[in-house]
Amino acid sequence: NAGVTQTPKFQVLKTGQSMTLQCAQDMNHEYMSWYRQDPGMGLRLIHYSVGAGITDQGEVPNGYNVSRSTTEDFPLRLLSAAPSQTSVYFCASRIQQNTEAFFGQGTRLTVV
Amino acid sequence: GNSVTQMEGPVTLSEEAFLTINCTYTATGYPSLFWYVQYPGEGLQLLLKATKADDKGSNKGFEATYRKETTSFHLEKGSVQVSDSAVYFCALKNTGTASKLTFGTGTRLQVTL
Repeated sequence: NAGVTQTPKFQVLKTGQSMTLQCAQDMNHEYMSWYRQDPGMGLRLIHYSVGAGITDQGEVPNGYNVSRSTTEDFPLRLLSAAPSQTSVYFCASRIQQNTEAFFGQGTRLTVV
Repeated sequence: GNSVTQMEGPVTLSEEAFLTINCTYTATGYPSLFWYVQYPGEGLQLLLKATKADDKGSNKGFEATYRKETTSFHLEKGSVQVSDSAVYFCALKNTGTASKLTFGTGTRLQVTL
């Protein structure tokens, strides 16, 4: 009963470093999304995917890349980390456009 | 574009008090509306939803009614418990917009004995 699994849970990066946040779901969901959560700003959409091989930008895509080579995985890459990317990142998935989104437990990222 | 406005928190209540968290929205068409809850250290989980005007979503004693005339989806609970302490997010999604939920800023609820 894994649902949406994100790794790592916590990460500290130095400015300029790159890393990949992992997200995997075992529910065969077509739609997957990445959000960042910042105080006073709710959740903002970074990138999303409507199926394997298809990705698109959300509200705040700059500084992030995604790919979707399989239905299960949707990694988020930070190319050159900046302090402004300090945030909590959530991955979510769902089966159809208007049904419930399932969220991972989040990755707390600090860029120093 | 779409937007969701929630009352600012934190909201502090005594156990068994009545809860209202206000949520209003701006959207084109006929969005679906959601309340998500985030318990400390966890991800968001769906609390309830409503997909058309006058629908009432309910779960775990919480209720919210989709009011198109006032563009509102206020969350209510008659008697809160300490275990309800969490952050509550109102959200909407337009039909046909792929994979995009628009969230409010969240309202932190703290329930004390």
